[in-house]
Amino acid sequence: DSGVTQTPKHLITATGQRVTLRCSPRSGDLSVYWYQQSLDQGLQFLIQYYNGEERAKGNILERFSAQQFPDLHSELNLSSLELGDSALYFCASSPAGLAGGSSYNEQFFGPGTRLTVL
Amino acid sequence: GQQLNQSPQSMFIQEGEDVSMNCTSSSIFNTWLWYKQDPGEGPVLLIALYKAGELTSNGRLTAQFGITRKDSFLNNSASIPSDVGIYFCAGQLGKLIFGQGTELSVKP
Repeated sequence: DSGVTQTPKHLITATGQRVTLRCSPRSGDLSVYWYQQSLDQGLQFLIQYYNGEERAKGNILERFSAQQFPDLHSELNLSSLELGDSALYFCASSPAGLAGGSSYNEQFFGPGTRLTVL
Repeated sequence: GQQLNQSPQSMFIQEGEDVSMNCTSSSIFNTWLWYKQDPGEGPVLLIALYKAGELTSNGRLTAQFGITRKDSFLNNSASIPSDVGIYFCAGQLGKLIFGQGTELSVKP
């Protein structure tokens, strides 16, 4: 158990809908990261938040957005869902989240949310 | 964009054998991480490397951070059935860039 929790574990929805995925980081971790894992694309970094502020952006679609709240939990919002958005979505957390090589930047992953868009 | 080439894509070995996998990149990283992922689970951090040339062990696992900072390898000795899973390398320079994974199958 990494200490990172994600809800829900599974989500089935229809095209065009909007969903919210939730992540609680490990106790004391300030950074939260979101990743998408699909069969053809592998693990892709979406976005990082550090202590409530957006820190880095990856391959995140404009239909997707995220935020980190004062209690440090984070939500990933996916809207106007398409069939191709079906994937595993992982949240990870780290104590810091800076560019330097350090154990403070090691990322620990949650169990993921499996999203199926029908 | 940055890409990692991880090889091999898959390995089928007998219990007790050693395995090696590696990652190479055209980019320099300041951290290399190795993760293992079981089906339907999140990646679990196995080893983290922070310095060029660093060699680190975790049980039967050994990983090295390449001198050029553009590559890393992971060795697993005396494999057992529970080692089955997908192993990912990840290079970090700010964000994490993941390799495509090496799927390991171990035959008892």
